[in-house]
Amino acid sequence: DIQMTQSPPSLSASLGDKVTITCQASQNINKYIAWYQQKPGKAPRLLIRYTSTLESGTPSRFSGSGSGRDYSFSISNVESEDIASYYCLQYVNLRTFGGGTKLELK
Amino acid sequence: QIQLVQSGPELKKPGESVKISCKASGYTFTDYAMHWVKQAPGKGLKWMGWINTYTGKPTYADDFKGRFVFSLEASASTANLQISNLKNEDTATYFCARTKLGADFDYWGQGVMVTVSS
Repeated sequence: DIQMTQSPPSLSASLGDKVTITCQASQNINKYIAWYQQKPGKAPRLLIRYTSTLESGTPSRFSGSGSGRDYSFSISNVESEDIASYYCLQYVNLRTFGGGTKLELK
Repeated sequence: QIQLVQSGPELKKPGESVKISCKASGYTFTDYAMHWVKQAPGKGLKWMGWINTYTGKPTYADDFKGRFVFSLEASASTANLQISNLKNEDTATYFCARTKLGADFDYWGQGVMVTVSS
């Protein structure tokens, strides 16, 4: 099974900051990674699919990149509505989530 | 519009069983697989497995083999998750989510909170 190591587990940022979250897969996942945002009490929301394709409605301050085993997700100019938890998901073989990153305001 | 609507919260005792449902609307049910995801209180997302809505074949993640059963009521565009012999560690929110085969989850149900307590 493919493991996804996501870091950091938590992140503190000021409004307007740029933040980056990384996910490392235990094997090459050929860019089949998606990123989700989850707010308390809500279902996850798809932000980015296939490494870097923004889902309809995702603001352009969100971005993704990577290849092989290593991937990153960034938010430039953090806004208050971005305070949430974020998860990566590999979908090249079955499905595996990363452990999650909780983004808080500094 | 596309919706996945799940059944209501459940309170069960250890050893009991629970069946939760996920009713799809706004698309052709058999065109998308249905997956199940567990989220324990304060924890991350854990993929449980999926069911092919065309063939009815389920696939379970290793940690969810044995007490967990995915099923369909295809005529009602509904997927079900049954958990038997409930344990305290089954206390969690359970989400359904759809995918095209080999793709990411694009729509999710609202989640069902299952509480197991004596």
